[in-house]
Amino acid sequence: AQTVTQSQPEMSVQEAETVTLSCTYDTSESDYYLFWYKQPPSRQMILVIRQEAYKQQNATENRFSVNFQKAAKSFSLKISDSQLGDAAMYFCAYLETNAGKSTFGDGTTLTVKP
Amino acid sequence: DTEVTQTPKHLVMGMTNKKSLKCEQHMGHRAMYWYKQKAKKPPELMFVYSYEKLSINESVPSRFSPECPNSSLLNLHLHALQPEDSALYLCASSQDPGLADYNEQFFGPGTRLTVL
Repeated sequence: AQTVTQSQPEMSVQEAETVTLSCTYDTSESDYYLFWYKQPPSRQMILVIRQEAYKQQNATENRFSVNFQKAAKSFSLKISDSQLGDAAMYFCAYLETNAGKSTFGDGTTLTVKP
Repeated sequence: DTEVTQTPKHLVMGMTNKKSLKCEQHMGHRAMYWYKQKAKKPPELMFVYSYEKLSINESVPSRFSPECPNSSLLNLHLHALQPEDSALYLCASSQDPGLADYNEQFFGPGTRLTVL
């Protein structure tokens, strides 16, 4: 079974600074998808960024980018120019291709200090 | 319309009650999901419907009964729940589970369930 590990239960960052959230996963598959989701307190879970395993290029979405290291099975999220609205719980998720079944990490709670 | 809606937002029920949670999406998505989420924990997959057929059941107790009346609607029927079933129940949808590049899940806001 696939496992997803987020080794940082909590992180904090100063507003306007950069922070990196870690995620590692374990799989024997060669084709899969990875996601970062954001869940603000008492608010909806939304997709931050996705990465296809077959793509070597790291995904970016505005201030959010990933460092995808397939051989090391590592998928970290970098948030640049952190904003107060970035404060949330961030989940790393692994999706088997065509299976519809996601495995989530335990989450990292990010605090942004003004 | 790019959202998943869930009703009710909050539900309090006794252990002998029967209630239902409702989820709706009008994005034309063909896969819908139920998750259970405890506070400060990741979502746990319960059920997956693909093209209105149950494709994944993660060994969920029978007191939870899913139903997919059509491609836009997903229900979760609850009966004889236990206090430990109190949680946030999330619904999600994705475009087409058979098309790998259209598989990100869109989540609803959830129903916060309390079982007394």
